[in-house]
Amino acid sequence: QVQLQESGPGLVKPSETLSLICTVSGHSISSSGYYWGWIRQPPGKGLEYIGSIYHTGNTYNNPSLKSRVTISVDTSKNQFSLKLSSVTAADAAVYYCAVQFDTGEFDPWGQGTLVTVSS
Amino acid sequence: DIQMTQSPSSLSASVGDRVTITCRASESISSYLSWYQQKPGKAPKLLIYAASSLQSGVPSRFSGSGSGTDFTFTISSLQPEDFATYYCQQSYSTPPTFGQGTKMEIK
Repeated sequence: QVQLQESGPGLVKPSETLSLICTVSGHSISSSGYYWGWIRQPPGKGLEYIGSIYHTGNTYNNPSLKSRVTISVDTSKNQFSLKLSSVTAADAAVYYCAVQFDTGEFDPWGQGTLVTVSS
Repeated sequence: DIQMTQSPSSLSASVGDRVTITCRASESISSYLSWYQQKPGKAPKLLIYAASSLQSGVPSRFSGSGSGTDFTFTISSLQPEDFATYYCQQSYSTPPTFGQGTKMEIK
């Protein structure tokens, strides 16, 4: 079955760029049928959709994050990545990657990685 | 964005109870509604998709219903492992949005 694992720095300085990678196993990311998504959850709060990418490279980002989000895919490594620029304290959260079906639901999810924003 | 409002925000219940959570969308989302369970320190887990379809491997005590703007999620007989936070999510329009969550606690 598909498994996902997030990785990246747990601490990012304000105004810098948050960079995370999601490594996929059990399914080729270059195969059709799935989208690959990012969702975040500030500590003690609810879930916020960040964006998704298809294996072709087509992306959709949440307009609430404006143009700060870049999602890309590396089919050779079976990974996709998230970059969030100009971070502030409001971007501190657990970041999850997940499979997104074409009907929009997310399953499964990675275990999540906590990102703190602090100087 | 479509706003998803869950009620209640929290509830206390006992093992064996039948519990129901509601989720209301700010506009019609047809049946593009999913329900997730999240335990502390863990990722959300998909339970229900398309408003009423049970995800593979999910116990049959979980069920969902509704269409349009009003949806319900029911646990027919609460088990100890069901105490968690539950979220609804719409996927009718982009961006997908989640309800604020319902925290289920032991009475």
